[in-house]
Amino acid sequence: DVQMTQSPSSLSASVGDRVTITCRASQSISSHLNWYQQKPGTAPKLLIYSAFSLQSEVPSRFSGSGSGTDYTLTISSLQPEDFATYYCQQSYTLPRTFGQGTKVEIK
Amino acid sequence: EVQLVESGGGLVQPGGSLRLSCAVSGFSLNNYWINWVRQVPGKGLVWVSRIKTDGSDPSYADSVKGRFSVSRDNAENTLHLQMNSLRAEDTAVYYCVGEEARFYYDTSGFSGYYYYMDVWGKGTSVTVSS
Repeated sequence: DVQMTQSPSSLSASVGDRVTITCRASQSISSHLNWYQQKPGTAPKLLIYSAFSLQSEVPSRFSGSGSGTDYTLTISSLQPEDFATYYCQQSYTLPRTFGQGTKVEIK
Repeated sequence: EVQLVESGGGLVQPGGSLRLSCAVSGFSLNNYWINWVRQVPGKGLVWVSRIKTDGSDPSYADSVKGRFSVSRDNAENTLHLQMNSLRAEDTAVYYCVGEEARFYYDTSGFSGYYYYMDVWGKGTSVTVSS
């Protein structure tokens, strides 16, 4: 199975901050990397697919980058509605695997 | 509108069975897969199973292989996750998730499909306890 490791597990940030979350795969996944946002009590929501493609209606302050085994989700200017948990997920192979999540909290 | 609605969750004793359902609407039958993803409250997301919307090509996580099975009810456009021999560790919220396949062809000459889970149901809770 492809193991996905996110860092950090949690972070505290202020509105307006630039936030970066990283995800490392245990083998190359050739940009088959998706990012999701989950708020408490709700289902996850797709933000980024194929490493850098912004899902429809997702604000442009979210961006993704990376290749091979290393990927990054960046929020250019954190907004109040962005406080949530973020997950990376590889879709290169089965079983699909997720990172353990990064909780973004208010400083 | 693309929509997935889960049902069938509840409390079951260890060793028991439960069948979850996922009603699908608004999907094209092409290039879509239906996954089941589970989440213990406060914990991360774990993939369980996947099946094509036409009911073909099922796949399972090792942790549920031989105990869970997915199928499609053609008449009702509903997919089912039959869960047998349930264990306490199967306790979770189960999400029905639509996974789209998008063809790509890059400048290096490689082609294939990108897959991403872009439609999520609200989830149904399963508790396995005596």
